[in-house]
Amino acid sequence: NAGVTQTPKFRVLKTGQSMTLLCAQDMNHEYMYWYRQDPGMGLRLIHYSVGEGTTAKGEVPDGYNVSRLKKQNFLLGLESAAPSQTSVYFCASSYTNRVRSYGYTFGSGTRLTVV
Amino acid sequence: TQLLEQSPQFLSIQEGENLTVYCNSSSVFSSLQWYRQEPGEGPVLLVTVVTGGEVKKLKRLTFQFGDARKDSSLHITAAQPGDTGLYLCAAVNAGGTSYGKLTFGQGTILTVHP
Repeated sequence: NAGVTQTPKFRVLKTGQSMTLLCAQDMNHEYMYWYRQDPGMGLRLIHYSVGEGTTAKGEVPDGYNVSRLKKQNFLLGLESAAPSQTSVYFCASSYTNRVRSYGYTFGSGTRLTVV
Repeated sequence: TQLLEQSPQFLSIQEGENLTVYCNSSSVFSSLQWYRQEPGEGPVLLVTVVTGGEVKKLKRLTFQFGDARKDSSLHITAAQPGDTGLYLCAAVNAGGTSYGKLTFGQGTILTVHP
């Protein structure tokens, strides 16, 4: 089925370790986003991309880096994981333009625990 | 950054009851969306409203966008256990270049008991 695929689904890291979360979409969407979801805090935007080769910071970018080398892929990296980064991470893509949103298609999430 | 306030945060009702979830802000939105999320899955888009005063219906769900485009409501008629889940509102600020970035409310956890 067409959509957004995230890997891995679960991961446990030790403090200080690094990892990359992978996101792939097959809908030819220009815009892609990474959010984190924490209890009582809703979904918060980490980074986003408006096209291949572009990235920009969202609301909570510290401790994360991203890359969009190919249009269909958006990677989220944690260089030195901290317990505060324990969360569920969602990737989303969208057909949109500069001023309005036509709705997101979300992946099923990556549950990350940092011990 | 705009703040979206959803209420109530938790809702536990019996099958067949009606319910309303509210989403409010002091900011004006260019558009507002409602999503439903089940455990272990990502949110799924239910509806997008764009015009002030707009009402959209999706089977037993009715979505309304406030006249001033600062608030929205989701009304479910005759709730069923299958409606159980987390309901999220999300909005894009009016004016400027948003690049489709959504700000999400904290969500309403709905439980419908058989």
